[in-house]
Amino acid sequence: DQQVKQNSPSLSVQEGRISILNCDYTNSMFDYFLWYKKYPAEGPTFLISISSIKDKNEDGRFTVFLNKSAKHLSLHIVPSQPGDSAVYFCAATSYQTGANNLFFGTGTRLTVIP
Amino acid sequence: ETGVTQSPTHLIKTRGQQVTLRCSSQSGHNTVSWYQQALGQGPQFIFQYYREEENGRGNFPPRFSGLQFPNYSSELNVNALELDDSALYLCASSLALVNNEQFFGPGTRLTVL
Repeated sequence: DQQVKQNSPSLSVQEGRISILNCDYTNSMFDYFLWYKKYPAEGPTFLISISSIKDKNEDGRFTVFLNKSAKHLSLHIVPSQPGDSAVYFCAATSYQTGANNLFFGTGTRLTVIP
Repeated sequence: ETGVTQSPTHLIKTRGQQVTLRCSSQSGHNTVSWYQQALGQGPQFIFQYYREEENGRGNFPPRFSGLQFPNYSSELNVNALELDDSALYLCASSLALVNNEQFFGPGTRLTVL
């Protein structure tokens, strides 16, 4: 049972444009959401997170939006750069149940074309 | 500051064998989590260790077991290997109570033939 879903396996964007990566979840107990970036032969690297008490969090070129009613979150990268090319994983956890594990989506491979 | 390290990088085993994977936590971190990432999938939580005790377990059978040592390093042991155990095994460390920010190692690629 996939509780976190990333329905787009891949996305290609021109350098300088906006990249929008989407994620849906089914478990209403999730109250903390994270995005990780993964390069080949490396482990996932934490990128940005958002608590369920917020609907937006920004960090430089990266912004995460959370729509709790739709159980949907998205990661916006503006402007996109070739170095952003990687696999992006959405993850979720629940502080109500201990937050001791992360539930990951299947990932979206972002390619930024120079 | 030393990041999370894992050994070995790659491993090939045959069905029925046993394997031990190792992880050293990031400096100052006392919590270790293990994840299995099958090809084309996201990481799946196996279990977590905090202060040398298991602190949560995912949907994995008992032949997946672990240890955490006083220096917070950790081992993942898998007995009676099956073909479906072929995957990338990721270790992540974090500070207790801040488990959301887990720092991952590069992983161990296990192939079961």
